Amino acid sequence: AQSVTQPDIHITVSEGASLELRCNYSYGATPYLFWYVQSPGQGLQLLLKYFSGDTLVQGIKGFEAEFKRSQSSFNLRKPSVHWSDAAEYFCAVGAKAAGNKLTFGGGTRVLVKP
Amino acid sequence: GAVVSQHPSWVICKSGTSVKIECRSLDFQATTMFWYRQFPKQSLMLMATSNEGSKATYEQGVEKDKFLINHASLTLSTLTVTSAHPEDSSFYICSAESGRGGGYEQYFGPGTRLTVT
Repeated sequence: AQSVTQPDIHITVSEGASLELRCNYSYGATPYLFWYVQSPGQGLQLLLKYFSGDTLVQGIKGFEAEFKRSQSSFNLRKPSVHWSDAAEYFCAVGAKAAGNKLTFGGGTRVLVKP
Repeated sequence: GAVVSQHPSWVICKSGTSVKIECRSLDFQATTMFWYRQFPKQSLMLMATSNEGSKATYEQGVEKDKFLINHASLTLSTLTVTSAHPEDSSFYICSAESGRGGGYEQYFGPGTRLTVT
């Protein structure tokens, strides 16, 4: 079975500072990996995804993530945070062998200080 | 492109009544749609996988007779919460799977907040 862990429940960062959100997954083969962002009371927006190939993935809104197979990690980064980045971030893992079902991590809430 | 809508966005119903939530893929066809449930300040939990023209596949612990799913067309899936109770109050989110671009990803609807009184 696949599982996802986001170790940090909350992160507070100053506007303009860098941000890194951690994600660790467990799956027997190479999974599909996703990062989504959710604003309060809203659905999820896809930031980026990894299927194969280049392990450094660029996404929308200036986000990037790096797949590290040896560490079973897919951490999300942004070099300079904007106040509008305050939201809940979810890492998710899926696999074709699992019917493309997604398993979500617990989420990390990002607060941005002015 | 790849927009998914849900209707209604919020609903309040009385205990014992049934509520239907619609999920539509507006600009693409989705043979597979997924239904999730999210409690406040928690993550999304997959409830069921909905395939067009066939019965839904429910996750362990989800009552199929309580949460009826119908995937009548390639752009519409519905979730009906039957005989709703206060503990069914939650945020329900659907997603539609698209295979465009060579890979696959799920596009999420904006969610439906259900409050059962």
